[in-house]
Amino acid sequence: GAGVSQSPSNKVTEKGKDVELRCDPISGHTALYWYRQSLGQGLEFLIYFQGNSAPDKSGLPSDRFSAERTGGSVSTLTIQRTQQEDSAVYLCASSAKGQGISYEQYFGPGTRLTVT
Amino acid sequence: DAKTTQPPSMDCAEGRAANLPCNHSTISGNEYVYWYRQIHSQGPQYIIHGLKNNETNEMASLIITEDRKSSTLILPHATLRDTAVYYCIVRVRRSQGNLIFGKGTKLSVKP
Repeated sequence: GAGVSQSPSNKVTEKGKDVELRCDPISGHTALYWYRQSLGQGLEFLIYFQGNSAPDKSGLPSDRFSAERTGGSVSTLTIQRTQQEDSAVYLCASSAKGQGISYEQYFGPGTRLTVT
Repeated sequence: DAKTTQPPSMDCAEGRAANLPCNHSTISGNEYVYWYRQIHSQGPQYIIHGLKNNETNEMASLIITEDRKSSTLILPHATLRDTAVYYCIVRVRRSQGNLIFGKGTKLSVKP
């Protein structure tokens, strides 16, 4: 079946502009996660959704970062007034919940954001 | 979640078994060992997980020591496509919190 998809795959923006990154999770997955990975660095957690609510936003690096999820499906990560240090690959993952499911996270291909 | 320790890099000859170690000496009784890998320019991919018994699936085998303080991921016949960073993560099963990725082991499979 279809996996997690993200768009755009690449985004180049000028410093100070706002950007929106989109994630389409696997159908039926109730949990959705955003991570980012800077060049040569490990994966850094940003935010976690359960349904449309975000019980854990602890990883968002500043108030320029926000995310929403609608209809328990698509999520959008918005970065306002982008800075060069925001350049990274932004990864989305989703997982299912329920009897007999072990909650593995399935990742999308990522959006590579470059702030010039 | 318990902390894990992995070697930063390993090499393996194509066709041979790749054995990737992980230490997790502070693991709790209700924590599982999960393995993910990240091939260059792709998102991480789930491989396998286990509690205390050895586990095997179509991708790999997981051997967990009896005291559960360490484990080994085994790729029985490594191919060039297995070149990736492999992450060992310890967490409570059925947890819906975020994964905590360490630095992992960069496995290079060589022809």
